[in-house]
Amino acid sequence: ETVLTQSPGTLSLSPGERATLSCRASQSVTSDYLAWYQQKPGQSPRLLIYGASRRATGIPDRFSGSGSGTDFTLTISRLEPEDFAVYYCQQYGSSRKFTFGGGTKVEIK
Amino acid sequence: QVQLVESGGDLVRPGGSLRLSCAASEFIFSIYDMSWIRQAPGKGLEWISYVNSDGTITYYADSVKGRFTISRDNAKNSVYLQMDSVRPEDTAVYYCAREGIRPFDHWGQGTLVTVSA
Repeated sequence: ETVLTQSPGTLSLSPGERATLSCRASQSVTSDYLAWYQQKPGQSPRLLIYGASRRATGIPDRFSGSGSGTDFTLTISRLEPEDFAVYYCQQYGSSRKFTFGGGTKVEIK
Repeated sequence: QVQLVESGGDLVRPGGSLRLSCAASEFIFSIYDMSWIRQAPGKGLEWISYVNSDGTITYYADSVKGRFTISRDNAKNSVYLQMDSVRPEDTAVYYCAREGIRPFDHWGQGTLVTVSA
C-alpha cells in the first residue's frame, strides 16, 4: 500500500502570499495518478488537481500541481481569503486502492 | 448539476449493523465507478470501498474488509454501503464520491455514523 506523507502539517501565511504544499509517496505513483483536494470546515472535499498537474473544472489558475514519481507539490500562487482550508493529496489508479495523505492546513497568519 | 445525496447515518451500538445509501442524479450513473470515503471527527480522509460501474468489481480497505459490503443498483441510481459488526472506530462522516476520467470529481454532503453504547 502506498503511504502519502504531507508536509507541513500546518502552514501559516497571509493573503497574497505563495503557498507550497508537499506530498511524498512511499513508492512511485503510477502514471502521475496523484490528485489534490481542498476541504473547508463543514464542507465536502473538492477536487482541485488530478494527474499531478491538471486543474479540475472551474479551479482558478492560481492553483497548480507539479511533480512525478514520489514527490509532488501543490502551489497556490497568491492566497485569497477563500483558500484558507485543509488540503489533501490522494493517489489513485488501476489498483483501485486509493490512499489519502494526512492533510495540510493552510491558516491565516 | 451533479448531485449525490447520502442517507442512513445514525447512532448504532458496537456490533450492530447499518445500511447507508447514496442517491445520484443529473448524470448517467451507470457509467461511473463509485466509492465510499469516511472522515472521523477532526481527522483526515480515509477511502474505504469502491465499486465499478456495473457492480461486478469491488475493493475494500483493510480496516473494513469482511465487515462492510458495497453494492449498487443502476436502475435506482444508487450505491449502498452495508455496515456490519461496527466498531467505535467506525464513527465518522461517510461520503460517497463519483469517479470517472477524473478521480472523485463530485462528493455528497456526507452522513454521520456514530458507534457508541
